[in-house]
Amino acid sequence: DAGVTQSPTHLIKTRGQQVTLRCSPKSGHDTVSWYQQALGQGPQFIFQYYEEEERQRGNFPDRFSGHQYPNYSSELNVNALLLGDSALYLCASSFGTGDSNQPQHFGDGTRLSIL
Amino acid sequence: DAKTTQPTSMDCAEGRAANLPCNHSTISGNEYVYWYRQIHSQGPQYIIHGLKNNETNEMASLIITEDRKSSTLILPHATLRDTAVYYCIVRVAPGSARQLTFGSGTQLTVLP
Repeated sequence: DAGVTQSPTHLIKTRGQQVTLRCSPKSGHDTVSWYQQALGQGPQFIFQYYEEEERQRGNFPDRFSGHQYPNYSSELNVNALLLGDSALYLCASSFGTGDSNQPQHFGDGTRLSIL
Repeated sequence: DAKTTQPTSMDCAEGRAANLPCNHSTISGNEYVYWYRQIHSQGPQYIIHGLKNNETNEMASLIITEDRKSSTLILPHATLRDTAVYYCIVRVAPGSARQLTFGSGTQLTVLP
């Protein structure tokens, strides 16, 4: 049973560029959440997708956008990259948006470095 | 969601029990306590969660005080592979849709 998979594992970009990160949820999960983790800090919630729509959003600018496909996989897009966007980007999947008892499961993340 | 307070770091001898405390004095009646850990260079891993009763699974035990203002995660026989940052999170309902609000966590180092 494959867990949450993310690609690529590492990525280097320069300021002003755009990046797309990808996530495949754990089998049986239909909800995908994205988190940003700066060095030495806990993960910060970016947004969540369910039924191909953004359902919740954290305190991130609209340079951060996403998409969810019918197969539940998801993409995180970041435009006009800034040095401060350097971080580990984590994807978490879960089942449903209701009162499910199932916890979120995380992938190992994409390490994004901005030069 | 209620805020949590955890020690910055702790050490534990290999083979001994590791007891990680968490204070959540402003917790509401419908908020659950969740524990995750993050081993270096990996994503957070779910450990256990509970509302008011003590919980145990194959990884750990969770002890929640009667007033629910604090809890302790217990790893009964710590190994070197348990070295990680442990996060205590308080969140409304078991609903997996709600975002997780991570603090700084506790760096647990298991010593040989």
